[in-house]
Amino acid sequence: DAGVIQSPRHEVTEMGQEVTLRCKPISGHDYLFWYRQTMMRGLELLIYFNNNVPIDDSGMPEDRFSAKMPNASFSTLKIQPSEPRDSAVYFCASSEGLAMYEQFFGPGTRLTVL
Amino acid sequence: GQQVMQIPQYQHVQEGEDFTTYCNSSTTLSNIQWYKQRPGGHPVFLIQLVKSGEVKKQKRLTFQFGEAKKNSSLHITATQTTDVGTYFCAAPNQAGTALIFGKGTTLSVSS
Repeated sequence: DAGVIQSPRHEVTEMGQEVTLRCKPISGHDYLFWYRQTMMRGLELLIYFNNNVPIDDSGMPEDRFSAKMPNASFSTLKIQPSEPRDSAVYFCASSEGLAMYEQFFGPGTRLTVL
Repeated sequence: GQQVMQIPQYQHVQEGEDFTTYCNSSTTLSNIQWYKQRPGGHPVFLIQLVKSGEVKKQKRLTFQFGEAKKNSSLHITATQTTDVGTYFCAAPNQAGTALIFGKGTTLSVSS
């Protein structure tokens, strides 16, 4: 398996623009997680899905953030409109289970909002 | 909310010196995981500890889970430049539905 795949790897956009981040989890993993990493706040869980269903989105910072998982092979994280404070590295991770299971992280998307 | 506290935040060592990072929780943990993130990379799972007082070794890395299951440590013997990166501990939240990551300890090694 190729591991968790994320695209794009880098994104530079202007404030107010819509940003869509994409993730393909490892086949067979029932759980998918979206994290945001910044120097100030560290690694924060934004939302996670179980069998394509969003279970906990309490980490999503604002209504500007939304996530979908239309099928077991694909998920998106959308920011609309984007703001400079959204600049961060966004990781997608997948696992076979919750907190007792290893999480496999994708390479991340480095987002810069000007 | 629940937190896992990691210390130190940064550590610089000379190659060949030992290194230890500590992870502490105010609540008893069911398990704890350790991850390593190389500069510019993504977190990679290293190990999971489950039992009270458990000690596991991976070559020069020694992982320990406290007797009370409220703390854990990662010790690296004779560091090498390949050990550079940020080491995170992660533990389940109270509901067991998510992993809470510590802020990490960033290790730099000079040769």
